[in-house]
Amino acid sequence: QKEVEQNSGPLSVPEGAIASLNCTYSDRGSQSFFWYRQYSGKSPELIMFIYSNGDKEDGRFTAQLNKASQYVSLLIRDSQPSDSATYLCAVDSGGYQKVTFGTGTKLQVIP
Amino acid sequence: DVKVTQSSRYLVKRTGEKVFLECVQDMDHENMFWYRQDPGLGLRLIYFSYDVKMKEKGDIPEGYSVSREKKERFSLILESASTNQTSMYLCASRSNGGGSYNEQFFGPGTRLTVL
Repeated sequence: QKEVEQNSGPLSVPEGAIASLNCTYSDRGSQSFFWYRQYSGKSPELIMFIYSNGDKEDGRFTAQLNKASQYVSLLIRDSQPSDSATYLCAVDSGGYQKVTFGTGTKLQVIP
Repeated sequence: DVKVTQSSRYLVKRTGEKVFLECVQDMDHENMFWYRQDPGLGLRLIYFSYDVKMKEKGDIPEGYSVSREKKERFSLILESASTNQTSMYLCASRSNGGGSYNEQFFGPGTRLTVL
């Protein structure tokens, strides 16, 4: 069973701080990694995608990938109350465009 | 604007009823997926389809079946609903893509309650 592990949280950070969300995965053959944001009662929406080792930045979001350690993270700079949501890590499972999701980390940004 | 739609946002059924959940995508995607989402368990794959009339079991297919007669439509069927099938059901679609990036798009979800 290919697994994606996340700390369920909640992770509480003050407004303006950096939020750091972490994810580990079991399948060394995984090639593509995604971060989805899910607001309460809504469906997931993609916020970041990464497939190369290192950092990828998009606005206040930075995704970090370390394939040797099988670790992917998401940093949110200058956290805002509107960032309060559950963040799902997802990993390509290979074959048929399947994706395996972690259980998500709930982030709370305190004003 | 890409879109995945689901037939109902909220549905209440009784134990033993046959339940149909419909999903339609307008992006001409080859792949479609049905997940259920429960607190603490995350998104779990029920079934997926990679082409018309083709289907594969996901991680939790028991008690469910699917149908894909047209490329844009993927239906999830609960043959005899049970209370442990009360959940949020999410449909998604994804292209076979070009290059290494292609996003999975989700529908708004159907919250099913089985009494």
